[in-house]
Amino acid sequence: GENVEQHPSTLSVQEGDSAVIKCTYSDSASNYFPWYKQELGKGPQLIIDIRSNVGEKKDQRIAVTLNKTAKHFSLHITETQPEDSAVYFCAASIKTGAGSYQLTFGKGTKLSVIP
Amino acid sequence: DAGVIQSPRHEVTEMGQEVTLRCKPISGHDYLFWYRQTMMRGLELLIYFNNNVPIDDSGMPEDRFSAKMPNASFSTLKIQPSEPRDSAVYFCASSRTKTSYGYTFGSGTRLTVV
Repeated sequence: GENVEQHPSTLSVQEGDSAVIKCTYSDSASNYFPWYKQELGKGPQLIIDIRSNVGEKKDQRIAVTLNKTAKHFSLHITETQPEDSAVYFCAASIKTGAGSYQLTFGKGTKLSVIP
Repeated sequence: DAGVIQSPRHEVTEMGQEVTLRCKPISGHDYLFWYRQTMMRGLELLIYFNNNVPIDDSGMPEDRFSAKMPNASFSTLKIQPSEPRDSAVYFCASSRTKTSYGYTFGSGTRLTVV
């Protein structure tokens, strides 16, 4: 199965509402969880990250929560604005078959903020 | 810092031709990654380098794909011969570490093989 699962694949919200994107991971030893925003025609950009020794991190309208026991983490965007419309990717450090760790990405969530 | 620089931004080529994609990582970043992005498969890691040395190329789909990093400031991804199923957006990313810091991605090369 997938090492990092991301839901939903698409999300539409009204401007000003909150948006939540959730990811689960398989490796209990994972310790680093970044989130990326990809706008049309651009590469993914890191927007926030969290490490396994922290349960929550906030940066203005964006927050990320981590539940190590349940092996899931979430991105929360409050007071959404049209410029938040983009594809969002979660990632987690996952152990590969070769025994090393590398970042594995979810399939992405296309967020549309309706004015 | 100019970030990760990729060229060309767009490439259209005929099936069977050789394609070379280029990347300049951020100075001081010891890791360089090549990713392929498609609607069906999302972001796939093809290969990564540490200090210019290829470490894991298990994601390279076939022998038609090869990557080099002759020095700390330049890497290439080559496809020879190219096929229509290689059409995708190819991203280069660099980082100070492999898993403890976020990667900085370039703007990508959109490859179309006709």
